[in-house]
Amino acid sequence: DARVTQTPRHKVTEMGQEVTMRCQPILGHNTVFWYRQTMMQGLELLAYFRNRAPLDDSGMPKDRFSAEMPDATLATLKIQPSEPRDSAVYFCASGLVFLITGGADTGELFFGEGSRLTVL
Amino acid sequence: GQQLNQSPQSMFIQEGEDVSMNCTSSSIFNTWLWYKQDPGEGPVLLIALYKAGELTSNGRLTAQFGITRKDSFLNISASIPSDVGIYFCAGQSGPQGGSEKLVFGKGTKLTVNP
Repeated sequence: DARVTQTPRHKVTEMGQEVTMRCQPILGHNTVFWYRQTMMQGLELLAYFRNRAPLDDSGMPKDRFSAEMPDATLATLKIQPSEPRDSAVYFCASGLVFLITGGADTGELFFGEGSRLTVL
Repeated sequence: GQQLNQSPQSMFIQEGEDVSMNCTSSSIFNTWLWYKQDPGEGPVLLIALYKAGELTSNGRLTAQFGITRKDSFLNISASIPSDVGIYFCAGQSGPQGGSEKLVFGKGTKLTVNP
């Protein structure tokens, strides 16, 4: 049963500490997304990758957030230093996009179960 | 940036009732998607719409892609307790069907009383 795996599921840390969240996308998917969910803002896109290359990280605070894909099976989202306002649930999602013009997938993103971050 | 206005924010209904929720945008989208999120889980796709005017069903769920391409609605018929959750609309303005940059509404929280 293919699914997106995220770790940790829960993280409590103190302000100023570094936080790293990890995601294993579904094997064969070529697009990986990081979303942040809060009560106030809902689901916000932070960054996404196609074939491991960053395509858009405009939604991400650049001064403290960084996202990488060291290889096709791992995506990371790092916050350094963390702040209380970073408290949220962070979701990784993966999908498949055909690269031939006019080709299409279902538009479906498969989401992980999320990493709930609390920064004290 | 693009924004989706989803309403209502929350609904409290009795089991067996029908439910309707919608999303509107000032921007045109090429794809509309409806997701459901259960507590402690990530969103799961319910229905995908790719063509203006399209009406698609998935069991008790029916969704439509508005003719103007700026809106979509989701109906749930004969609600049951397991329909409880948060329903999100999502729009995509990129190449049709590509998994790119979905913009999400803020969700409709559904409570079903047995």
